[in-house]
Amino acid sequence: DAMVIQNPRYQVTQFGKPVTLSCSQTLNHNVMYWYQQKSSQAPKLLFHYYDKDFNNEADTPDNFQSRRPNTSFCFLDIRSPGLGDTAMYLCATSKDNQPQHFGDGTRLSIL
Amino acid sequence: AQSVTQLGSHVSVSEGALVLLRCNYSSSVPPYLFWYVQYPNQGLQLLLKYTSAATLVKGINGFEAEFKKSETSFHLTKPSAHMSDAAEYFCAVSVTGRRALTFGSGTRLQVQP
Repeated sequence: DAMVIQNPRYQVTQFGKPVTLSCSQTLNHNVMYWYQQKSSQAPKLLFHYYDKDFNNEADTPDNFQSRRPNTSFCFLDIRSPGLGDTAMYLCATSKDNQPQHFGDGTRLSIL
Repeated sequence: AQSVTQLGSHVSVSEGALVLLRCNYSSSVPPYLFWYVQYPNQGLQLLLKYTSAATLVKGINGFEAEFKKSETSFHLTKPSAHMSDAAEYFCAVSVTGRRALTFGSGTRLQVQP
């Protein structure tokens, strides 16, 4: 089945140690999104790629970055994670403005 | 800017009872509206979407929602709750020219046996 796959599902890392989360898709969608969802809160958009064009949300912290080496893959890099970055990170894809398809998320814990 | 308000962070119903989850939106231009469901430790799954066609939208798992412009509402209903419906439900809005979704704060649905 075509889908959005996130790896790893669970990640524990130390305060300040860089971490990379990955997302891959077999839907051939041209738009890929990264959301942060803290406990009992709604998902909050961090940034998205429309094809190769990167679109950052105004309030996304500077230590959050993203890479999209090709259509199928997108990475979320957190350069120096703080305790407040503990959250579920959701990747989603869409074909232009069609509804978004979400992966199962990576639950990140910063210790 | 667009926004979504979900009334009631927790809703509890008995199995077989009507499910009603409320969503009101604010948008200066015609909106696209969505309902997503999230089960524990999973991503979001699209239940249904409104994109300016029929105002009554039918989705998966027996859910439907009605777009009411006069009330700026997009409430989600299901005639008969099932235990498997217990989850977190998010209403979301987007508008033409902005791909990103703005989510409501979510409603946790509990289904009692």
